[in-house]
Amino acid sequence: DGGITQSPKYLFRKEGQNVTLSCEQNLNHDAMYWYRQDPGQGLRLIYYSQIVNDFQKGDIAEGYSVSREKKESFPLTVTSAQKNPTAFYLCASSWGPNYNSPLHFGNGTRLTVT
Amino acid sequence: AQKITQTQPGMFVQEKEAVTLDCTYDTSDPSYGLFWYKQPSSGEMIFLIYQGSYDQQNATEGRYSLNFQKARKSANLVISASQLGDSAMYFCAMREGRGGSYIPTFGRGTSLIVHP
Repeated sequence: DGGITQSPKYLFRKEGQNVTLSCEQNLNHDAMYWYRQDPGQGLRLIYYSQIVNDFQKGDIAEGYSVSREKKESFPLTVTSAQKNPTAFYLCASSWGPNYNSPLHFGNGTRLTVT
Repeated sequence: AQKITQTQPGMFVQEKEAVTLDCTYDTSDPSYGLFWYKQPSSGEMIFLIYQGSYDQQNATEGRYSLNFQKARKSANLVISASQLGDSAMYFCAMREGRGGSYIPTFGRGTSLIVHP
């Protein structure tokens, strides 16, 4: 079955450490997205990528970095510069950046930084 | 200003009754898409229904329908015959043009609890 795999489901890190969240899709989708979800805040866009080797900052990109070396993969690195990294992170993809293209989501990674 | 507004933080409904979840949006782009997603307590986001800005008829998908009122910029989700499994967070989202692409933006969500 096609889908999006995020790993790990839970991640714990010490403050000051960088951490990379994995996102892999086998839907052959061109566009991929990273969202951050905090209680009562909805989903906020961190980064998005429409094609391989290209990505754009979203609304809250500070303290995060991404790469898109393969169509299937869009890893997110939470750097030590991110002031409040504890959150639920969702990766999504869509077949294109068109207005009628729904997002397909992974199951999320819950990151806790202490 | 918020692009997507969901004014109901929480809603309660009796099993088998219908419920409407409100969503208003703000855009000046003539081409846009409106979406509803469901997020159960397990965390995954499930796509429910889509409405395009040029669609003349309201979208329907099984027990879900989208009440699209373009002039009022509202896109309310109607769930008919509620089931216990409908208890979840519901998010309204919009894709509008930004920098040559259509970027999805989400509302803050509505928590729906279905009572037996």
